[in-house]
Amino acid sequence: DAKTTQPNSMESNEEEPVHLPCNHSTISGTDYIHWYRQLPSQGPEYVIHGLTSNVNNRMASLAIAEDRKSSTLILHRATLRDAAVYYCILKAAGNKLTFGGGTRVLVKP
Amino acid sequence: EAGVAQSPRYKIIEKRQSVAFWCNPISGHATLYWYQQILGQGPKLLIQFQNNGVVDDSQLPKDRFSAERLKGVDSTLKIQPAKLEDSAVYLCASSHPGLAGGRGDTQYFGPGTRLTVL
Repeated sequence: DAKTTQPNSMESNEEEPVHLPCNHSTISGTDYIHWYRQLPSQGPEYVIHGLTSNVNNRMASLAIAEDRKSSTLILHRATLRDAAVYYCILKAAGNKLTFGGGTRVLVKP
Repeated sequence: EAGVAQSPRYKIIEKRQSVAFWCNPISGHATLYWYQQILGQGPKLLIQFQNNGVVDDSQLPKDRFSAERLKGVDSTLKIQPAKLEDSAVYLCASSHPGLAGGRGDTQYFGPGTRLTVL
């Protein structure tokens, strides 16, 4: 599976947007970009995924670069409950999830 | 809809002892996964079942780890004998093979079992 690169950590203030970058320069045409997050003492949970077009759901937005070599997860208004480790994962349909180290997001009140 | 259930939530054992973890996936989910998550790292897939058959166990240390899913529903992961380096959180996840690349590809995780080997 192609590799992703994420910053180790990011800080944000409560109720401000958070932009989490992910680089994936070796992405293949069949790879979907998945984001999961892991709250403290919980298992990971699905956030969003996309292939080429930007995607929005109730949790977040996913902005995908035109060349697909990078993407950004956007949390529009961070809350204290959004403090978690966020994983960016490339995954072809039906293939396994390969987690990297993720980005630890700290939300300050 | 009930989520993925795991038990126990915590387990402390001494090295060379045996331990077993249980997982009940979301009803109707044909695919079940076991992951190992060492502190400070992302989860690592140990084994993947499709119904009661093994799809991928390439990263399962087969000399000490075993897993089964006899009736294609719940699953058990066993470690025998345990080593200090097996201290980790063991996560179970399930998914329902639906539309390829769609939400059917989403994995739903349980809360995990935290294992401490002394």
